[in-house]
Amino acid sequence: SQTIHQWPATLVQPVGSPLSLECTVEGTSNPNLYWYRQAAGRGLQLLFYSVGIGQISSEVPQNLSASRPQDRQFILSSKKLLLSDSGFYLCALKNRRRGYNEQFFGPGTRLTVL
Amino acid sequence: AQSVAQPEDQVNVAEGNPLTVKCTYSVSGNPYLFWYVQYPNRGLQFLLKYITGDNLVKGSYGFEAEFNKSQTSFHLKKPSALVSDSALYFCAVRDMEVPYSGAGSYQLTFGKGTKLSVIP
Repeated sequence: SQTIHQWPATLVQPVGSPLSLECTVEGTSNPNLYWYRQAAGRGLQLLFYSVGIGQISSEVPQNLSASRPQDRQFILSSKKLLLSDSGFYLCALKNRRRGYNEQFFGPGTRLTVL
Repeated sequence: AQSVAQPEDQVNVAEGNPLTVKCTYSVSGNPYLFWYVQYPNRGLQFLLKYITGDNLVKGSYGFEAEFNKSQTSFHLKKPSALVSDSALYFCAVRDMEVPYSGAGSYQLTFGKGTKLSVIP
């Protein structure tokens, strides 16, 4: 079965510091991968999605970036964090085989920017 | 463009009573519809989906949802609520008419969530 790992589970960072959140998946190959942000425990905002290695699409302009260096690895980064970057970051995958329509989510990373 | 509305921010129900969490959607074609549940500080868990076929879909933990095309609704239901059902529930939609091979063709649009509180 497929599994999604997110690291770290929680993170507290000062404003202006860099960020790197990692998502790795197991049990599937060539999945679509997604980064979402959830602010204040409500609402999901799609940040990035990827249909393959090196292929990143951004949904909203922001100071975050994403990369997919390997098929099963998806990284969310920032060079300088803002207070508004605080939130709960969720990685998700979708199996690209026909008949698999739902997305599966990782456990999330709680980011607090001070 | 596709959209989802969850008209209730919060639903309170007594333990043992039936529960309903409402969801309406808007797509240009036929929809794929999903329900997810989120417990505090956890990722979303998939509950059920409607793709085609019977309008009543059964999912995990005793939940079911009814697809109503004329009312563009996909309400989540459970005959008898448990305290452990207290969580945040999200409805999501994908437009079936989006081309299969398109780069963004698997994007889901999520509602804002409904907080369900089951009172002992």
